[in-house]
Amino acid sequence: GAVVSQHPSWVICKSGTSVKIECRSLDFQATTMFWYRQFPKQSLMLMATSNEGSKATYEQGVEKDKFLINHASLTLSTLTVTSAHPEDSSFYICTGGGAGGETQYFGPGTRLLVL
Amino acid sequence: GENVEQHPSTLSVQEGDSAVIKCTYSDSASNYFPWYKQELGKRPQLIIDIRSNVGEKKDQRIAVTLNKTAKHFSLHITETQPEDSAVYFCAASINSGYALNFGKGTSLLVTP
Repeated sequence: GAVVSQHPSWVICKSGTSVKIECRSLDFQATTMFWYRQFPKQSLMLMATSNEGSKATYEQGVEKDKFLINHASLTLSTLTVTSAHPEDSSFYICTGGGAGGETQYFGPGTRLLVL
Repeated sequence: GENVEQHPSTLSVQEGDSAVIKCTYSDSASNYFPWYKQELGKRPQLIIDIRSNVGEKKDQRIAVTLNKTAKHFSLHITETQPEDSAVYFCAASINSGYALNFGKGTSLLVTP
């Protein structure tokens, strides 16, 4: 099946710094990837839809200036959490694939802890 | 937008018993309904999915049923084992290539 990787798998940063998370499709081309956020003991919430070569589409309540998404190629989408604060601490997961009726695949996730 | 409700939030069964988790959805345009199992600290893993043109699908001990008229779908796990203990999420989407709307999850505990 299709493989999605994420990097880093976990990151600890100080409040006010920016963190970049990479999501790569390793064996397929992804014109669309999705970014989800999962707080402890909660469900996965869609943050944004990342579109290759165009602007991302953000869900209501997600600040586009804080969560910058770039999808410059068919195999890489990045999420940058700018000026991170402790409330941004969460598990960030990307997904890709699913086109043509195939299964959508989750990346392994990135655990972010902002001190 | 789509709203997916999932019940129960916690479920405890004895090993060998069956477990049933139910979900309802609101958007009649949804046609794809996957179920995920998430173990602590790991990514969700797809365990089974069903599309709107099918009423039931089975894979060994796991089955999913879909009632499009009533807008609900259910996960059935038979002969549960301790390794089935995890959080299970249902989701709904227009199709498998679209964003997923998740239920709040069910924490399943299978006791020996």
